[in-house]
Amino acid sequence: DGGITQSPKYLFRKEGQNVTLSCEQNLNHDAMYWYRQDPGQGLRLIYYSQIVNDFQKGDIAEGYSVSREKKESFPLTVTSAQKNPTAFYLCASSTSFGARNSPLHFGNGTRLTVT
Amino acid sequence: AQSVTQLDSQVPVFEEAPVELRCNYSSSVSVYLFWYVQYPNQGLQLLLKYLSGSTLVKGINGFEAEFNKSQTSFHLRKPSVHISDTAEYFCAVSERADDKIIFGKGTRLHILP
Repeated sequence: DGGITQSPKYLFRKEGQNVTLSCEQNLNHDAMYWYRQDPGQGLRLIYYSQIVNDFQKGDIAEGYSVSREKKESFPLTVTSAQKNPTAFYLCASSTSFGARNSPLHFGNGTRLTVT
Repeated sequence: AQSVTQLDSQVPVFEEAPVELRCNYSSSVSVYLFWYVQYPNQGLQLLLKYLSGSTLVKGINGFEAEFNKSQTSFHLRKPSVHISDTAEYFCAVSERADDKIIFGKGTRLHILP
C-alpha cells in the first residue's frame, strides 16, 4: 500500500542532543512537508520541499534542519538550538506543491520528548 | 495575511445528534478551504475541500461544509454523528496566489453515548 512512514513513533532524547526524525513516502509525490503540532496550537509548518534537492523554511524553521537527497525521503533534524523541541511531528506529502494539489497525505507522526 | 479561526476548541454532542463545527477565515483574496480530521495518535486525513464552484461541498463519512464568502466562513456539518466520529477536526485555508496552507487550532469532537 502507498503511504508515508514516519519512524520511530516515540522518541526520547536528552536536552542538548540533536535528533533526526525519519519520513519516507512511496506515493511518488514531489512535495513534502514537516509540521509541528502542539496541544491547542494546530499545525505549524517547519520546512517544505517542492522537489528533490530543494527545500524552503516554513513559519518556525529555527532550530531545525532538513535534507531532500531522494524523492522518497525528507528527514528532519531537531537541533540543540530548538528551545522547546518536545512536540508531535507530522510529515506530509502532495503530488506537487500548492494547495490546489491537495490533499496532503500525512504520516502517523513521531512524538518527541526531550528531557 | 490569511488566518483561520476555529471558534470552539471542544464540542460535545450526543450520538445520532447533528453537529456543526465552525470555521472562519481572514483573507482579502480568493481562497481554497479544507477540513481535515485527525484520529487519536494518527496523522490528518482530508475530509473535504472547496476549490471553486458549488459552495456546498460533500466529503467522506457523511460530512459536508458550506462556503459563505460574505461571512468568510466554512462550517462543517454532519446530520447524525457516530461514536467513530470522535476526533480532532482542523479547518485550513490557502490564498490562491500563495498556495501555502494555514491550519486552524482544531476542534475536538466528543461524542456522548
